[in-house]
Amino acid sequence: SQKIEQNSEALNIQEGKTATLTCNYTNYSPAYLQWYRQDPGRGPVFLLLIRENEKEKRKERLKVTFDTTLKQSLFHITASQPADSATYLCALVAEYGNKLVFGAGTILRVKS
Amino acid sequence: DAGVIQSPRHEVTEMGQEVTLRCKPISGHNSLFWYRQTMMRGLELLIYFNNNVPIDDSGMPEDRFSAKMPNASFSTLKIQPSEPRDSAVYFCASSSTGTGGADTQYFGPGTRLTVL
Repeated sequence: SQKIEQNSEALNIQEGKTATLTCNYTNYSPAYLQWYRQDPGRGPVFLLLIRENEKEKRKERLKVTFDTTLKQSLFHITASQPADSATYLCALVAEYGNKLVFGAGTILRVKS
Repeated sequence: DAGVIQSPRHEVTEMGQEVTLRCKPISGHNSLFWYRQTMMRGLELLIYFNNNVPIDDSGMPEDRFSAKMPNASFSTLKIQPSEPRDSAVYFCASSSTGTGGADTQYFGPGTRLTVL
């Protein structure tokens, strides 16, 4: 069966450290993968997109990797700040271009 | 741009009542998505429109759910009759479909539905 799995437990880290979140998928062959941030009471907000032919993508303190052999994406936040505390969702395209399937999300808590 | 607008933001209703959720996508976007989010099932796609035409409604739970998009700037999701298990946050999202399919989706603030 098709699955997208993210760390089910919350990730607690100290301010200034690098946070690494994992997204694993099974029985999908996505052409690209996206990461979204969701704050309590709000809708998800797009952060980064990485295509299957890209190994790594960066945006400011954010970095995403995409390993189609391992069927895994890693999402890194360097020099983390308390304001980075949120739920982070990975999403991949399923079947055709517009339909995204979301993982359950990982809660990140950055403590000062 | 005001972003995706949803109304109402909160809805409390009794089992058996009809519920209508509304969405105004970002101007110029040609794809619209309705999602439902619960703790148990996460964010699930219910239905998606492209150029006002329903493309995929395989996520619609059952016949009690229906969605329409009469024009490019408005969509509704209706539940009739509502049941307690429909309680969730319902999100509308829109995107501008280009070639290659790598479309960023812009989400509205959601409607929190509680069915008593």
